[in-house]
Amino acid sequence: RKEVEQDPGPFNVPEGATVAFNCTYSNSASQSFFWYRQDCRKEPKLLMSVYSSGNEDGRFTAQLNRASQYISLLIRDSKLSDSATYLCVVNRAQAGTALIFGKGTTLSVSS
Amino acid sequence: GAVVSQHPSWVICKSGTSVKIECRSLDFQATTMFWYRQFPKQSLMLMATSNEGSKATYEQGVEKDKFLINHASLTLSTLTVTSAHPEDSSFYICSARSGAQPQHFGDGTRLSIL
Repeated sequence: RKEVEQDPGPFNVPEGATVAFNCTYSNSASQSFFWYRQDCRKEPKLLMSVYSSGNEDGRFTAQLNRASQYISLLIRDSKLSDSATYLCVVNRAQAGTALIFGKGTTLSVSS
Repeated sequence: GAVVSQHPSWVICKSGTSVKIECRSLDFQATTMFWYRQFPKQSLMLMATSNEGSKATYEQGVEKDKFLINHASLTLSTLTVTSAHPEDSSFYICSARSGAQPQHFGDGTRLSIL
């Protein structure tokens, strides 16, 4: 089983739509969780950390369910500029603090 | 904010060439650096974890004799792809962190082997 699994999509939505991405992770000892955004042929950039209580940053809401080992990202009022690949990232509990990346979910927002 | 510089950003070489990629932390001391590789439409795959002054810890399936990692100082780590072949063509990204601080990523190096 992969350490981090995501639905690769693509998700094709119109501007203004609400879209949700899901992710599961296999290591129950993982402590830190993130969503990164990666644009084509670029390095990944941190979008937001994910906390157990759930957290929101503008149009983005992230949630964590430790019992189910499940992470989600909700994007409201999608913009054209939201088009990118969204990477679910989990900190590996053992072996230092390496970040383990999911394959990513591709989002395409159209006008 | 913290900056990680990676060089070169793009390299094209003939098969059999060895290629060195540098990763520098510009405004902080990186006690740990990580090297990732990303093939098209794939996730970033961790290749190795490197602590300053120690031998790198390689992920399963990554050949340590093929991908030489040197982390001789707190601001520089290098990845050398030895005798590169077309199947080594990929996007290589480093990241660096200081202690328990968040990781910061370099811009990546796109390696194309002809």
